[in-house]
Amino acid sequence: KAGVTQTPRYLIKTRGQQVTLSCSPISGHRSVSWYQQTPGQGLQFLFEYFSETQRNKGNFPGRFSGRQFSNSRSEMNVSTLELGDSALYLCASSLDDRGETQYFGPGTRLLVL
Amino acid sequence: AQSVTQLGSHVSVSEGALVLLRCNYSSSVPPYLFWYVQYPNQGLQLLLKYTSAATLVKGINGFEAEFKKSETSFHLTKPSAHMSDAAEYFCAVTTGTASKLTFGTGTRLQVTL
Repeated sequence: KAGVTQTPRYLIKTRGQQVTLSCSPISGHRSVSWYQQTPGQGLQFLFEYFSETQRNKGNFPGRFSGRQFSNSRSEMNVSTLELGDSALYLCASSLDDRGETQYFGPGTRLLVL
Repeated sequence: AQSVTQLGSHVSVSEGALVLLRCNYSSSVPPYLFWYVQYPNQGLQLLLKYTSAATLVKGINGFEAEFKKSETSFHLTKPSAHMSDAAEYFCAVTTGTASKLTFGTGTRLQVTL
């Protein structure tokens, strides 16, 4: 079974721009979560989607948004990029039950200049 | 709310020596506990998971962890370190009521000859 895939793997943007990251979960997984990883803040939860609905949200500004499609693929969007948004963005998928193991993709490394 | 504390941001062991990475958790409800490993420029790979079925959990690559409720600990061990174990290790907690993972700050394991 194929793992979680994320595209693109690397991105360079400038301040003020917006960016969209994509995540394809493991086949059959209905929950997709997003995390931000930075050297200063570590791994922080952004949001979780299940059956096209946001089920849980972390403590991030409204510039960070996401959505999930009917095939469980998910996208996250960051508008008005700031230098501090430079990070590794990780997507994880799991079966529908809460507490289930989350399987992570390789991440998208975003650099904001 | 739940939280995780990983003692020691950097641990160095000799090849063949015991690996011990410490994790203490806080949770108001029975927790699900995880250890993940991250190699450079990669996502997170699941090592093992505790879900209350057994207090001693065996994972991949010879790692195991013991859940001790009285000590609120879930330390990761491996009897004999290998050079390929050099990576960053993250302990994480969640509950059965949410999919959000709360991570510790990570421990970088260095293995020397």
